[in-house]
Amino acid sequence: DAGVIQSPRHEVTEMGQEVTLRCKPISGHNSLFWYRQTMMRGLELLIYFNNNVPIDDSGMPEDRFSAKMPNASFSTLKIQPSEPRDSAVYFCASSSPGTSGYTFGSGTRLTVV
Amino acid sequence: KNEVEQSPQNLTAQEGEFITINCSYSVGISALHWLQQHPGGGIVSLFMLSSGKKKHGRLIATINIQEKHSSLHITASHPRDSAVYICAVSPYGNKLVFGAGTILRVKS
Repeated sequence: DAGVIQSPRHEVTEMGQEVTLRCKPISGHNSLFWYRQTMMRGLELLIYFNNNVPIDDSGMPEDRFSAKMPNASFSTLKIQPSEPRDSAVYFCASSSPGTSGYTFGSGTRLTVV
Repeated sequence: KNEVEQSPQNLTAQEGEFITINCSYSVGISALHWLQQHPGGGIVSLFMLSSGKKKHGRLIATINIQEKHSSLHITASHPRDSAVYICAVSPYGNKLVFGAGTILRVKS
């Protein structure tokens, strides 16, 4: 398996633009997580899905953020409109009850200027 | 107070030394995780523990549920062990709550 695949690896965008981050979890994993990492706040959970259904989105900062998981093999995190304070590394991870932990993607480094 | 506290925040060791990183948590958990993040950013899951001790190569992780404490040990440390080590707990369901991380630098 190629692991959790995120795209793009790097994104630089202007304030006000829409940003879409993508994630392909490991096949067979039924939980998918979106995390954000910043120097100030470390790693924070934004939202997670079980069996494609959003379970906990309490970490989503505000209405500008939205996440979808239309099927078991794909999820998106969208920011519209983006702001400079959204600059961070966004990680996607997946897991399954039968596994011994989480598998993280390589992350998307987002810079909003 | 953070739900997950790690110590030390920074650690510099000489190659070959035995290293211990500590993690204390204040909530009931179903599992505790140790993660490793290298410069360049990738995060790797090292261990998931709910009791006792696990070993993988030169890495050993222990957990004491009654004391709400876990330790990560590295034996015969090597410069390639230099990374940020993150403790995270699962209070309920699948979500993780993270510690701030320990920055480890192993000098040759």
